[in-house]
This record gives sequence, C-alpha cells and structure tokens, in this order.
Amino acid sequence: VIWMTQSPSLLSASTGDRVTISCRMSQGISSYLAWYQQKPGKAPELLIYAASTLQSGVPSRFSGSGSGTDFTLTISCLQSEDFATYYCQQYYSFPRTFGQGTKVEIK
Amino acid sequence: EVQLVESGGGLVQPGGSLRLSCAASGFTFSSYSMNWVRQAPGKGLEWVSYISSSSSTIYYADSVKGRFTISRDNAKNSLYLQMNSLRAEDTAVYYCARDLRGGFVDYWGQGTLVTVSS
Repeated sequence: VIWMTQSPSLLSASTGDRVTISCRMSQGISSYLAWYQQKPGKAPELLIYAASTLQSGVPSRFSGSGSGTDFTLTISCLQSEDFATYYCQQYYSFPRTFGQGTKVEIK
Repeated sequence: EVQLVESGGGLVQPGGSLRLSCAASGFTFSSYSMNWVRQAPGKGLEWVSYISSSSSTIYYADSVKGRFTISRDNAKNSLYLQMNSLRAEDTAVYYCARDLRGGFVDYWGQGTLVTVSS
C-alpha cells in the first residue's frame, strides 16, 4: 500500500493569495498523481492529472508539480470560488489511495 | 454530456445487504473502466473498488474485500456494487466514478448515501 501524507490539513488564506498544498508518498509513483477539488455537498472535480496536466476547463491559476514522492498543488491567485477541500490521489498502483485532504478556508 | 446517476442507497441494519447501481450515459460505457469511491460523513475520500471495461480485472480495498462485489452490465450501461455483511463503518456517500487513462477519475456521480445503523 502506498501511503500519502497531505499537508496542511487546514489552510487559512485570503482572496488573491498564492497557496501551496503538499502531497508526499511513501514510495515513488513517477507522475501518477491527480488533484481534486471538492465543495460541501458536492462530488469531487478533477483539477490536475499526471502530476502537472491541467484538466480541460480548469483555470490556469491552478498548477501542479513534482514527481517521484513529492508533489505540490499551487493556486496562484486565490479566488472566492476556490475555497474548498483539495485531495491528491495516486494511481501508480492498487489500492488507489487519497490524501487526507486540505481545507482552504477564508482567513 | 457525461452523466453518472447512482441509486440504491438507504438505511440498513448491521449485517444487512444493499445493492448500489450507477446508470451511465453520454459516453461509450463499455470502453471505460469504472470505480466506486466512498466518503464517510465529514471524512475524506476512500477508494472502494475498480472494474475494467470488460470486467476482466477487478480490485477491492482491503476494508471491503470479501464483503463487496463490483460488477457491470455493458448492455445496460450500468455499474453495480453488491454490499453484504454491512458494518457501521461502511456508512458513507458512495460515488460512481469513471476511470480515465488507467487511474484517475474524470467524472463522478452525485453520490448515494448508505447508512448502516440499528
């Protein structure tokens, strides 16, 4: 099983801030990592796959980087609609695993 | 437009059974692998099970192995999850999720709530 450590669990920020979320793997997964955004009461939505490829329709203020064991999701200029919970997910091997989530809240 | 619509959730007693269904539309269902992912109230996402497009490859999370069975009917564009020997810790919203390029999810259903309680 590949264990994932996502940090921080809670991030307080203001509109316009640049924020970064980290996801660390217990073993290397190449670039087999996705990021999702979830708003309360809604299903998750795909933001990034293959560690750095932006899903169609996702604003360019979202970016992903990393490979191997360390990955980062960056929101360059936080907008009001970005306040949500973010999850990383590895798909290098089964069982698929998700990070614990990072809630981005208004400061 | 891709649509995934889950059904079959509800309240069930510990030890009971439930069958979830997911009706797919807007894409060629038989060409895609599918997953079930769940989320306990106030908790994070947990992958539950995977089935390949032809049903030839199936995986389960250890937490449900031996109790849950994933299946699909490509002629009916439907995905299923048979859940037996249900426990309180199986209480969650269950999402049907389309698998893309061998691993990540590009479309999710709206979810169906399963509550295991006496």
